[in-house]
Amino acid sequence: NAGVTQTPKFRVLKTGQSMTLLCAQDMNHEYMYWYRQDPGMGLRLIHYSVGEGTTAKGEVPDGYNVSRLKKQNFLLGLESAAPSQTSVYFCASRGNYGYTFGSGTRLTVV
Amino acid sequence: GESVGLHLPTLSVQEGDNSIINCAYSNSASDYFIWYKQESGKGPQFIIDIRSNMDKRQGQRVTVLLNKTVKHLSLQIAATQPGDSAVYFCAARGFGNEKLTFGTGTRLTIIP
Repeated sequence: NAGVTQTPKFRVLKTGQSMTLLCAQDMNHEYMYWYRQDPGMGLRLIHYSVGEGTTAKGEVPDGYNVSRLKKQNFLLGLESAAPSQTSVYFCASRGNYGYTFGSGTRLTVV
Repeated sequence: GESVGLHLPTLSVQEGDNSIINCAYSNSASDYFIWYKQESGKGPQFIIDIRSNMDKRQGQRVTVLLNKTVKHLSLQIAATQPGDSAVYFCAARGFGNEKLTFGTGTRLTIIP
């Protein structure tokens, strides 16, 4: 049982490039989330999904898009990366017994 | 909106002693609280949670206390071990709200 898997683990982007972060969970959870973590700050919610085909904005959604075409996958897209998006990104899913987080994607935008 | 803050950014405790990490939240409508542990290079790991209809919950070597009157939450770790060294976050969620609001974290260092 892998839990929540994030790919890639590390990435360096140039300003203006695009990329997609993939989150996959094998726990059949309905709810999935994308957070970012910056130094000295708590995790902040970017977008979330309450089920397949649904997405909703969180606290800091600007500059990001998401899709939940399959229940097990939640994709986070950056259309035109900016240095302010340098961060560690965490995906989480929620089931009856609470939240499970992935191990993170460290993204650097130069 | 909700804001969550931890009282100390760092805490050093002697191995074997008990440690207490404190957290304050702002929204009296918050009804669910979680403590997470995060080790370097890893994602947050669930430690213990508590709902607003409780004031205390115990796990293995950990206890969470909730004081709704002053909107305060604490995590007690008994007989700390070197493996307890990590950053600890509290998080709060309001009823019917999907957003978990995290505090900024307390770095716990265990002194051998």
